[in-house]
Amino acid sequence: DIQMTQSPSSLSASVGDRVTITCRASQGISNYLAWYQQKPGKVPKLLIYAASTLQSGVPSRFSGSGSGTDFTLTISSLQPEDVATYYCQKYNSAPPITFGQGTRLEIK
Amino acid sequence: EVQLVESGGVVVQPGGSLRLSCAASGFTFDDYTMHWVRQAPGKGLEWVSLISWDGGSTYYADSVKGRFTISRDNSKNSLYLQMNSLRTEDTALYYCATNPRIPYYYMDVWGKGTTVTVSS
Repeated sequence: DIQMTQSPSSLSASVGDRVTITCRASQGISNYLAWYQQKPGKVPKLLIYAASTLQSGVPSRFSGSGSGTDFTLTISSLQPEDVATYYCQKYNSAPPITFGQGTRLEIK
Repeated sequence: EVQLVESGGVVVQPGGSLRLSCAASGFTFDDYTMHWVRQAPGKGLEWVSLISWDGGSTYYADSVKGRFTISRDNSKNSLYLQMNSLRTEDTALYYCATNPRIPYYYMDVWGKGTTVTVSS
């Protein structure tokens, strides 16, 4: 099975900072990658699919890139409401469906 | 408004059984593949199972294969997860979620979850 590894596992940044989270697949998955945001105590929310397509209603400060094995989620200007854990998920083939272990983002 | 409401989570002893339900509203339920995803306390997301729009195809995580059964009743706009031979490691918040487009398997709308605790 393909494994998804996120880095870092946690990070702290200041409001207004540019933040980048990385997700690496153990095998190539083309662009079949989604990103989710889970705020503390809340339900996961789909941010991005197909590696770079923003889900409707998601602020434009969020962006995704990558293909193959290496992917990034970028927040161009960190806002206080972005405090959350972020997960990547591959979907390049039939299940099993695999999530990354998560990246916890805090405000410095 | 698209809505998913899970129910059925309780405290159960190891080895016991439980059936979770997910009631869907605000969309054409039988157009969509559906998922169950769980999250153990303080841990990350773990995909559990999915079922195609007509129930004809089902998939399971290795951790639950042979113990859990996913099903749906499109006439009732409902999704189910029958959980047998429960283990302490099945303790988690269980979410149901819609799959926006096949053959791509990811989740767009999520319910708020129902909590299953397996403990003696």
